[in-house]
Amino acid sequence: AQTVTQSQPEMSVQEAETVTLSCTYDTSESDYYLFWYKQPPSRQMILVIRQEAYKQQNATENRFSVNFQKAAKSFSLKISDSQLGDAAMYFCAYRSWNAGKSTFGDGTTLTVKP
Amino acid sequence: DSGVTQTPKHLITATGQRVTLRCSPRSGDLSVYWYQQSLDQGLQFLIQYYNGEERAKGNILERFSAQQFPDLHSELNLSSLELGDSALYFCASSDGQGKVENTQYFGPGTRLTVL
Repeated sequence: AQTVTQSQPEMSVQEAETVTLSCTYDTSESDYYLFWYKQPPSRQMILVIRQEAYKQQNATENRFSVNFQKAAKSFSLKISDSQLGDAAMYFCAYRSWNAGKSTFGDGTTLTVKP
Repeated sequence: DSGVTQTPKHLITATGQRVTLRCSPRSGDLSVYWYQQSLDQGLQFLIQYYNGEERAKGNILERFSAQQFPDLHSELNLSSLELGDSALYFCASSDGQGKVENTQYFGPGTRLTVL
């Protein structure tokens, strides 16, 4: 079974600075997908970014980018120019290519300081 | 707004009781997924339905059951409730057979409190 580990329960960043959230996963599969979700205080789960394992190029979405290291099974999220609205819990998730369910990490709480 | 709706938003009940959580997927989505988010366990996959049929099952207790109706809405039934069942229950939907390129869109969740 796949596992997802987020080793940083809490992180903080100064507004306008850059922060990186870590995620590692364990799998024996070669084809899979990785996601970062944001959960603000409203508890809504919001998709931030998605990475296909077969793609070597790291995904980017505006201020959000990932560093995908397939051999190391690492998938970190970089948030540039942090904003107060980025404060939330961030979850890393793994999904097999042929399975609908996602396996989530335990989350990292991000605090943005003004 | 993801387009996925869940009712009720909050539910408070007593141990031993039974409750039903309801989810309406985004228009056109055929797959529905249920997840449980407890304070100390993150999100756990419970079950997936595709077009009325059970597609995958995760860490769902025998006291829990779900179904997807012809109009594609889904219900999660929780019975013989225990204190430990208190959690946020999410429904998500996607338009394919759980194919990864079909993003899962999450509803706002139902917060269940068992007293």
